[in-house]
Amino acid sequence: DVKVTQSSRYLVKRTGEKVFLECVQDMDHENMFWYRQDPGLGLRLIYFSYDVKMKEKGDIPEGYSVSREKKERFSLILESASTNQTSMYLCASSAGTGYSNQPQHFGDGTRLSIL
Amino acid sequence: DAKTTQPPSMDCAEGRAANLPCNHSTISGNEYVYWYRQIHSQGPQYIIHGLKNNETNEMASLIITEDRKSSTLILPHATLRDTAVYYCIVRAPRGSARQLTFGSGTQLTVLP
Repeated sequence: DVKVTQSSRYLVKRTGEKVFLECVQDMDHENMFWYRQDPGLGLRLIYFSYDVKMKEKGDIPEGYSVSREKKERFSLILESASTNQTSMYLCASSAGTGYSNQPQHFGDGTRLSIL
Repeated sequence: DAKTTQPPSMDCAEGRAANLPCNHSTISGNEYVYWYRQIHSQGPQYIIHGLKNNETNEMASLIITEDRKSSTLILPHATLRDTAVYYCIVRAPRGSARQLTFGSGTQLTVLP
Protein backbone atom coordinates (compact mmCIF):
# COMPACT_ATOMS: atom_id res chain seq x y z
CA ASP A 1 0.00 0.00 0.00
CA VAL A 2 1.03 3.56 -0.65
CA LYS A 3 2.02 5.36 2.51
CA VAL A 4 2.19 9.13 2.77
CA THR A 5 3.24 10.20 6.23
CA GLN A 6 2.88 13.70 7.61
CA SER A 7 5.01 14.52 10.61
CA SER A 8 2.28 15.88 12.88
CA ARG A 9 -1.49 15.43 13.12
CA TYR A 10 -1.97 18.55 15.24
CA LEU A 11 0.28 21.57 15.61
CA VAL A 12 -0.11 24.87 17.46
CA LYS A 13 2.21 27.76 16.66
CA ARG A 14 2.35 31.48 17.31
CA THR A 15 2.05 34.36 14.88
CA GLY A 16 5.39 35.21 13.28
CA GLU A 17 6.97 31.81 13.86
CA LYS A 18 8.61 29.90 11.03
CA VAL A 19 6.76 26.60 10.70
CA PHE A 20 7.92 23.42 9.00
CA LEU A 21 5.52 20.70 7.85
CA GLU A 22 7.16 17.49 6.70
CA CYS A 23 5.84 14.81 4.36
CA VAL A 24 7.40 11.49 3.39
CA GLN A 25 6.16 8.94 0.85
CA ASP A 26 7.45 5.40 0.52
CA MET A 27 6.42 4.56 -3.06
CA ASP A 28 9.15 6.29 -5.07
CA HIS A 29 6.56 8.67 -6.53
CA GLU A 30 7.79 11.43 -8.82
CA ASN A 31 5.11 13.96 -7.90
CA MET A 32 4.32 15.48 -4.53
CA PHE A 33 1.76 18.10 -3.55
CA TRP A 34 0.83 20.38 -0.68
CA TYR A 35 -2.81 21.42 -0.30
CA ARG A 36 -4.78 23.21 2.34
CA GLN A 37 -8.40 22.39 3.03
CA ASP A 38 -10.81 24.87 4.57
CA PRO A 39 -14.57 24.56 5.13
CA GLY A 40 -16.48 25.88 2.14
CA LEU A 41 -13.32 26.38 0.07
CA GLY A 42 -12.41 22.76 -0.66
CA LEU A 43 -8.89 21.70 -1.57
CA ARG A 44 -6.52 24.43 -2.69
CA LEU A 45 -3.10 23.66 -4.11
CA ILE A 46 -0.20 25.52 -2.54
CA TYR A 47 2.82 24.00 -4.30
CA PHE A 48 3.73 20.85 -6.14
CA SER A 49 6.93 19.16 -7.21
CA TYR A 50 7.43 16.80 -10.12
CA ASP A 51 11.06 15.95 -9.40
CA VAL A 52 13.80 16.44 -6.84
CA LYS A 53 14.68 20.12 -6.42
CA MET A 54 11.86 21.07 -8.81
CA LYS A 55 8.81 22.99 -7.63
CA GLU A 56 5.86 24.78 -9.14
CA LYS A 57 3.45 27.24 -7.58
CA GLY A 58 -0.14 26.24 -7.14
CA ASP A 59 -3.09 28.57 -6.69
CA ILE A 60 -2.15 30.01 -3.28
CA PRO A 61 1.64 30.05 -2.79
CA GLU A 62 1.83 33.39 -0.99
CA GLY A 63 3.35 33.07 2.47
CA TYR A 64 4.63 29.55 1.80
CA SER A 65 7.75 27.93 0.41
CA VAL A 66 8.71 24.31 -0.21
CA SER A 67 11.77 22.13 -0.31
CA ARG A 68 12.38 18.81 -2.00
CA GLU A 69 15.96 17.71 -1.49
CA LYS A 70 15.18 14.00 -1.68
CA LYS A 71 12.61 12.21 -3.81
CA GLU A 72 10.66 10.83 -0.87
CA ARG A 73 10.43 14.03 1.19
CA PHE A 74 8.53 17.26 0.52
CA SER A 75 8.53 20.01 3.10
CA LEU A 76 6.17 22.97 3.40
CA ILE A 77 7.47 26.08 5.14
CA LEU A 78 5.39 28.92 6.51
CA GLU A 79 7.91 31.73 6.49
CA SER A 80 6.16 33.88 9.10
CA ALA A 81 2.98 32.24 10.33
CA SER A 82 -0.21 34.28 10.39
CA THR A 83 -3.65 33.51 11.79
CA ASN A 84 -5.14 33.17 8.29
CA GLN A 85 -2.88 30.17 7.76
CA THR A 86 -4.80 28.20 10.37
CA SER A 87 -6.02 25.24 8.33
CA MET A 88 -5.82 21.53 7.56
CA TYR A 89 -2.70 20.87 5.47
CA LEU A 90 -2.63 17.83 3.24
CA CYS A 91 0.33 16.26 1.47
CA ALA A 92 -0.18 13.97 -1.52
CA SER A 93 1.97 12.02 -3.94
CA SER A 94 1.46 10.37 -7.31
CA ALA A 95 3.43 8.29 -9.75
CA GLY A 96 4.21 9.02 -13.34
CA THR A 97 5.60 11.77 -15.47
CA GLY A 98 4.04 13.58 -18.36
CA TYR A 99 0.60 12.20 -19.16
CA SER A 100 -0.43 9.80 -16.42
CA ASN A 101 -3.68 8.44 -15.04
CA GLN A 102 -2.17 7.54 -11.68
CA PRO A 103 -4.14 8.77 -8.66
CA GLN A 104 -2.91 11.06 -5.92
CA HIS A 105 -2.50 9.47 -2.50
CA PHE A 106 -2.92 11.62 0.59
CA GLY A 107 -1.50 11.70 4.07
CA ASP A 108 -3.70 12.00 7.16
CA GLY A 109 -3.26 15.76 7.28
CA THR A 110 -1.86 18.25 9.77
CA ARG A 111 -4.34 20.47 11.54
CA LEU A 112 -2.35 23.65 12.14
CA SER A 113 -3.53 26.39 14.47
CA ILE A 114 -1.79 29.76 14.52
CA LEU A 115 -2.45 31.77 17.66
CA ASP B 1 -12.45 18.06 -16.36
CA ALA B 2 -16.05 16.96 -16.82
CA LYS B 3 -18.59 18.01 -14.21
CA THR B 4 -19.96 15.34 -11.89
CA THR B 5 -23.26 15.13 -10.02
CA GLN B 6 -23.73 13.08 -6.85
CA PRO B 7 -26.58 12.84 -4.35
CA PRO B 8 -25.75 14.87 -1.23
CA SER B 9 -26.42 12.03 1.19
CA MET B 10 -27.23 8.32 1.45
CA ASP B 11 -27.78 5.82 4.22
CA CYS B 12 -26.85 2.15 4.18
CA ALA B 13 -27.37 -0.64 6.69
CA GLU B 14 -24.25 -2.23 8.11
CA GLY B 15 -23.33 -5.41 6.25
CA ARG B 16 -25.30 -4.48 3.15
CA ALA B 17 -23.88 -3.26 -0.13
CA ALA B 18 -23.57 0.50 -0.53
CA ASN B 19 -24.14 1.71 -4.10
CA LEU B 20 -23.04 5.28 -4.69
CA PRO B 21 -24.04 6.82 -8.04
CA CYS B 22 -22.27 9.50 -10.03
CA ASN B 23 -23.42 11.24 -13.21
CA HIS B 24 -20.81 12.58 -15.65
CA SER B 25 -22.76 13.07 -18.86
CA THR B 26 -20.15 15.34 -20.49
CA ILE B 27 -17.23 12.96 -19.98
CA SER B 28 -14.66 12.89 -22.79
CA GLY B 29 -13.11 9.80 -24.28
CA ASN B 30 -9.80 10.11 -22.48
CA GLU B 31 -11.17 11.06 -19.05
CA TYR B 32 -10.94 8.63 -16.17
CA VAL B 33 -13.41 8.26 -13.31
CA TYR B 34 -11.82 8.38 -9.84
CA TRP B 35 -13.37 7.80 -6.44
CA TYR B 36 -12.01 9.10 -3.16
CA ARG B 37 -13.49 9.28 0.31
CA GLN B 38 -12.78 11.46 3.30
CA ILE B 39 -13.55 10.43 6.83
CA HIS B 40 -14.06 13.35 9.17
CA SER B 41 -10.77 15.02 10.20
CA GLN B 42 -8.65 12.71 8.04
CA GLY B 43 -6.99 13.09 4.64
CA PRO B 44 -8.79 11.95 1.48
CA GLN B 45 -8.35 8.27 0.69
CA TYR B 46 -8.06 7.00 -2.88
CA ILE B 47 -10.48 4.13 -3.55
CA ILE B 48 -10.49 3.15 -7.21
CA HIS B 49 -10.41 4.50 -10.77
CA GLY B 50 -11.29 3.34 -14.26
CA LEU B 51 -11.68 4.38 -17.88
CA LYS B 52 -14.43 2.22 -19.37
CA ASN B 53 -14.13 -1.30 -18.02
CA ASN B 54 -15.50 -2.26 -14.64
CA GLU B 55 -12.82 -2.36 -11.97
CA THR B 56 -12.53 -4.15 -8.64
CA ASN B 57 -9.99 -3.96 -5.86
CA GLU B 58 -9.88 -4.93 -2.20
CA MET B 59 -11.95 -1.92 -1.19
CA ALA B 60 -14.66 -1.56 -3.81
CA SER B 61 -15.99 -2.14 -7.31
CA LEU B 62 -16.49 0.51 -9.96
CA ILE B 63 -19.20 -0.02 -12.54
CA ILE B 64 -19.13 2.36 -15.54
CA THR B 65 -22.06 2.36 -17.96
CA GLU B 66 -21.39 1.50 -21.57
CA ASP B 67 -21.95 5.10 -22.70
CA ARG B 68 -19.69 6.24 -19.78
CA LYS B 69 -22.17 8.92 -18.76
CA SER B 70 -22.54 7.53 -15.26
CA SER B 71 -20.86 5.20 -12.81
CA THR B 72 -21.52 3.45 -9.50
CA LEU B 73 -19.14 2.78 -6.66
CA ILE B 74 -20.04 -0.38 -4.78
CA LEU B 75 -18.87 -1.14 -1.26
CA PRO B 76 -19.91 -4.80 -1.03
CA HIS B 77 -20.31 -5.12 2.75
CA ALA B 78 -20.48 -1.70 4.35
CA THR B 79 -19.19 -1.24 7.89
CA LEU B 80 -19.53 1.66 10.31
CA ARG B 81 -15.98 2.70 9.36
CA ASP B 82 -17.15 3.33 5.80
CA THR B 83 -19.14 6.36 6.98
CA ALA B 84 -17.50 9.21 5.06
CA VAL B 85 -17.94 11.73 2.26
CA TYR B 86 -17.40 10.03 -1.09
CA TYR B 87 -16.16 12.05 -4.06
CA CYS B 88 -16.46 11.13 -7.72
CA ILE B 89 -13.95 12.96 -9.95
CA VAL B 90 -13.50 12.88 -13.69
CA ARG B 91 -10.19 13.98 -15.13
CA ALA B 92 -7.94 13.40 -18.09
CA PRO B 93 -4.27 12.45 -17.82
CA ARG B 94 -3.07 15.87 -18.97
CA GLY B 95 0.00 15.69 -16.83
CA SER B 96 0.07 13.95 -13.50
CA ALA B 97 1.27 16.93 -11.52
CA ARG B 98 -2.02 18.73 -11.60
CA GLN B 99 -4.42 19.92 -8.96
CA LEU B 100 -7.12 17.59 -7.77
CA THR B 101 -10.51 19.23 -7.27
CA PHE B 102 -13.28 17.71 -5.19
CA GLY B 103 -16.94 18.55 -5.64
CA SER B 104 -19.45 18.40 -2.81
CA GLY B 105 -19.60 14.58 -2.76
CA THR B 106 -22.04 12.16 -1.10
CA GLN B 107 -22.19 11.81 2.67
CA LEU B 108 -22.61 8.08 3.23
CA THR B 109 -23.84 7.10 6.66
CA VAL B 110 -23.66 3.42 7.56
CA LEU B 111 -26.29 2.59 10.15
CA PRO B 112 -25.92 -0.20 12.74
